[in-house]
Amino acid sequence: EVVLTQSPATLSLSPGERATLSCRASQSVSDYLGWYQQKPGQPPRLLIYDASNRATGIPARFSGSGSGTDFTLTIGSLEPEDFAVYYCHQRSKWPPSFGQGTKLEI
Amino acid sequence: QVQLQESGPGLVRPSQTLSLTCTVSGGSIGSGSYYWNWIRQPAGKGPELIGRIYSSGSINYTPSFKSRLTISMDTSKNQFFLKLNSVTAADTAVYYCARVGYGLSGSDNWFDPWGQGILVTVSS
Repeated sequence: EVVLTQSPATLSLSPGERATLSCRASQSVSDYLGWYQQKPGQPPRLLIYDASNRATGIPARFSGSGSGTDFTLTIGSLEPEDFAVYYCHQRSKWPPSFGQGTKLEI
Repeated sequence: QVQLQESGPGLVRPSQTLSLTCTVSGGSIGSGSYYWNWIRQPAGKGPELIGRIYSSGSINYTPSFKSRLTISMDTSKNQFFLKLNSVTAADTAVYYCARVGYGLSGSDNWFDPWGQGILVTVSS
């Protein structure tokens, strides 16, 4: 099983700042890597798919990069509604797996 | 658009069977190139795929659940089901159902949409 390791576990920033979240895979997943945002009491919401493509309706301040084993989610200028937990997810190898999350807090 | 809704008991006794239903609206589970998935998320942890059923009825179980898991579907009711046997406190989690495409383009190949989730607690 592909293990996804996210860092940092918690990221403390202020609105307007830039956020950089990392995800490392235990083996290559090519570009079959996605990012999800989750707020309390809600299911995860797809932000980025295929490593760098924004899902429908996702603001341009969200961007993804990387390939193989190292990936990054960048939020260009934090809005108050961006403070949440972010998960990376790979669908390259069975079974699909998720990281343990990065909590983005104010 | 497609919507999913989980239902079932919120409390299950240890060693008993956890049974959940996912009701799908806005699309047919028996057609198209989609897998219908069960995913769970213990408190404070990342999501974990349990298993999935394809629109044709083909089933895949994640290895760690295979020995005690049954997933099935009823296309006439547009529902699919989860049965997890011999539960313990470690099975306490929010359980989600979600759709994912197979061999489609773009975001259709990723988990979207999801149901709202149902908290299942395993306790005596």
